[in-house]
Amino acid sequence: EAQVTQNPRYLITVTGKKLTVTCSQNMNHEYMSWYRQDPGLGLRQIYYSMNVEVTDKGDVPEGYKVSRKEKRNFPLILESPSPNQTSLYFCASKPRGMNTEAFFGQGTRLTVV
Amino acid sequence: QQQVKQSPQSLIVQKGGIPIINCAYENTAFDYFPWYQQFPGKGPALLIAIRPDVSEKKEGRFTISFNKSAKQFSLHIMDSQPGDSATYFCAASMAGGYNKLIFGAGTRLAVHP
Repeated sequence: EAQVTQNPRYLITVTGKKLTVTCSQNMNHEYMSWYRQDPGLGLRQIYYSMNVEVTDKGDVPEGYKVSRKEKRNFPLILESPSPNQTSLYFCASKPRGMNTEAFFGQGTRLTVV
Repeated sequence: QQQVKQSPQSLIVQKGGIPIINCAYENTAFDYFPWYQQFPGKGPALLIAIRPDVSEKKEGRFTISFNKSAKQFSLHIMDSQPGDSATYFCAASMAGGYNKLIFGAGTRLAVHP
């Protein structure tokens, strides 16, 4: 089954404790991205990647890091989480090309206390 | 200029009604306008999309109306069903590079039996 898999689905952590949210896709897509979803703000892009070892900032990159060492994986790293990073996070992938469909993972609900 | 404004924030209709969700944009460089549907606990999934060279697109009970001069587009759900209860996001993107999606804030739709 074609899918984007995120782990974990739920995470509660404390301020300052480094964490990683993993994302993997099995559709051989070139493009991957991370979004955060907050009430009243929709989905905002954090980082995106157009290929292995090619990443760039989205609209809200502060406090986040990413890496793209393999085509299928695109982990999101919070090196020192803060309460304002409490949110619902989605990973997405899509094939290269103009306005192709984006496929989203099931989401990771992160709470930073 | 990068914003997409979506209204209403929430909407309640009776089964069989026709909910309408509206979106407006400023950037005339946008050339692709998808709608995503999100059920609780799931990631968004592409529902229907339109390009600005057409004024209307129908897929089953879902219709997008597009007004290029007014820079507005809307989603109509004909004969709505309780199973249509979800959050709906409009989005916009422009050609080139990653084709980043700019999302509206979302509309939570409830269809009552």
